[in-house]
Amino acid sequence: KAGVTQTPRYLIKTRGQQVTLSCSPISGHRSVSWYQQTPGQGLQFLFEYFSETQRNKGNFPGRFSGRQFSNSRSEMNVSTLELGDSALYLCASSDQLADTQYFGPGTRLTVL
Amino acid sequence: ELKVEQNPLFLSMQEGKNYTIYCNYSTTSDRLYWYRQDPGKSLESLFVLLSNGAVKQEGRLMASLDTKARLSTLHITAAVHDLSATYFCAVDGSVGGYQKVTFGTGTKLQVIP
Repeated sequence: KAGVTQTPRYLIKTRGQQVTLSCSPISGHRSVSWYQQTPGQGLQFLFEYFSETQRNKGNFPGRFSGRQFSNSRSEMNVSTLELGDSALYLCASSDQLADTQYFGPGTRLTVL
Repeated sequence: ELKVEQNPLFLSMQEGKNYTIYCNYSTTSDRLYWYRQDPGKSLESLFVLLSNGAVKQEGRLMASLDTKARLSTLHITAAVHDLSATYFCAVDGSVGGYQKVTFGTGTKLQVIP
């Protein structure tokens, strides 16, 4: 099976812009979670989707949003980018709730 | 709010030595994960511990879970250089069955030849 894929792998944006990141889970996996990783805050949970429904959300402002499509692919959107949004954004998929998560390679976002 | 603490944060050890990484968490959970991350890479799943007393081993790594003490350990036996990486524990603080994973700060392991 193909692993979790994320596109793009690298992004450079400027403050105030918005960005959309994409995640394709492992075939058959219906749960997709998103995480932000920064040197200062470590790994933080953003949100989790299961069968197109957001099941849980971390402590991030409303500028961070996401969605999941019927084929389980997921996107996350960050509007009005701030310098502090520079991070590695990781997507993970699993085939059942709370089962082993398989992580994608991540999208490294740099906000200038 | 679920808090997950790992110690030590940094660990430098010689090849052939044994050591243990500790992961404490603040609220009840029956699911705990261990991950490995190499520099510039994504996370690799090592273990999923699903019940009190669970013990899993893979090569030189062994993980255990004590849900009563809210403690998990990752024991490294006869370390080799290839084990150098950052290790994270993560706890599933699910409410109502929904997944919400909280990560520890990570332990950066350096194995010196």
